[in-house]
Amino acid sequence: AQSVTQLGSHVSVSEGALVLLRCNYSSSVPPYLFWYVQYPNQGLQLLLKYTSAATLVKGINGFEAEFKKSETSFHLTKPSAHMSDAAEYFCAVSEANDYKLSFGAGTTVTVRA
Amino acid sequence: DSGVTQTPKHLITATGQRVTLRCSPRSGDLSVYWYQQSLDQGLQFLIQYYNGEERAKGNILERFSAQQFPDLHSELNLSSLELGDSALYFCASSLGGEPLHFGNGTRLTVT
Repeated sequence: AQSVTQLGSHVSVSEGALVLLRCNYSSSVPPYLFWYVQYPNQGLQLLLKYTSAATLVKGINGFEAEFKKSETSFHLTKPSAHMSDAAEYFCAVSEANDYKLSFGAGTTVTVRA
Repeated sequence: DSGVTQTPKHLITATGQRVTLRCSPRSGDLSVYWYQQSLDQGLQFLIQYYNGEERAKGNILERFSAQQFPDLHSELNLSSLELGDSALYFCASSLGGEPLHFGNGTRLTVT
């Protein structure tokens, strides 16, 4: 069975600062990895996904994530935070071609002006 | 707008009752997924349908059932409701891969 652990339930950054959200996964088979964002009172939106191609994945809204097999990590970054990035972010894992995603507990991002 | 419509937005009911949540997927999407989001359990995958057939099952209780109809809309039926079933229930849709388009959810409160 696969699972993810998101380190830090809450992250606060200044506008313009680096956003770094940590995700470590556990999987007995090659994983597919995903980051989703949830804005208040809305459903989730896919930011990016890793499906065994390039290890550095670029997503929407300036986010990117790097798959590091040796560290079993898939951390999400954005070089410069914007106020509109305030939301909850979820890391998820599935087995390749089996889209029964297991989600992490989520990390809430607040952006300070 | 994700194109996924969930009704109702809010539902308040009593323990022991039965409710039906409805989801219309984004136009053209064949897959529908149901998720439960609660404070204590986080986001849990319940079940997936693809073009009317059940494709994958997750942590779905026996008191819960779902189906996808020929017009591709889906319904999630929750019966013998307990206080612990109070949660946000999301529907998502996609052409067939990972869930791409999420609805805004149905908030169920069991009293």
